[in-house]
Amino acid sequence: AQSVTQPDIHITVSEGASLELRCNYSYGATPYLFWYVQSPGQGLQLLLKYFSGDTLVQGIKGFEAEFKRSQSSFNLRKPSVHWSDAAEYFCAVGAGNNNDMRFGAGTRLTVKP
Amino acid sequence: DAGVIQSPRHEVTEMGQEVTLRCKPISGHDYLFWYRQTMMRGLELLIYFNNNVPIDDSGMPEDRFSAKMPNASFSTLKIQPSEPRDSAVYFCASSLRVHEQYFGPGTRLTVT
Repeated sequence: AQSVTQPDIHITVSEGASLELRCNYSYGATPYLFWYVQSPGQGLQLLLKYFSGDTLVQGIKGFEAEFKRSQSSFNLRKPSVHWSDAAEYFCAVGAGNNNDMRFGAGTRLTVKP
Repeated sequence: DAGVIQSPRHEVTEMGQEVTLRCKPISGHDYLFWYRQTMMRGLELLIYFNNNVPIDDSGMPEDRFSAKMPNASFSTLKIQPSEPRDSAVYFCASSLRVHEQYFGPGTRLTVT
């Protein structure tokens, strides 16, 4: 079965600085990859997804992610972080057509003024 | 679109009581998922439906948990009897395409 690892439990960045959140997956074939964001007390919101094609994916709120098959990674990036980006970020991997999607443990992002 | 709707948003109950959580998926979506989120275990898939039929309930922790989807616009997750270790945030999600899920705001359940 597929699995996903988010190596960083908590990251702190200054407002205006760049951001990269790491995600590594394990799956034998081409996976479906997702990034979700969860603000406190809220549900998960889909930021972006990768199914196939261009390995650099653009999402909402200025986020992008790059699929690197050789590294089994799907890291999330943003060039300039805003205070409102403080939240929990989840990477997820799906496989095949069975809708079995696995979520990482999440990375909590704190933004310093 | 109103998005996925869950009710109640917060539920506090005593151990042994029955708890029913409700979900209305996005109109037109044919997949519905129930998840549980805790600090210890993260986000866990409990069960999911396709066209109102349960497809995979292997994540349902015990027989105390049951889920139904009587029609395309409504689903329930029931816990009977509830226990303190069931305290968690329960999310409902729906999707039209495989894997692309949209989440509701969640129900925070506290069992005392």
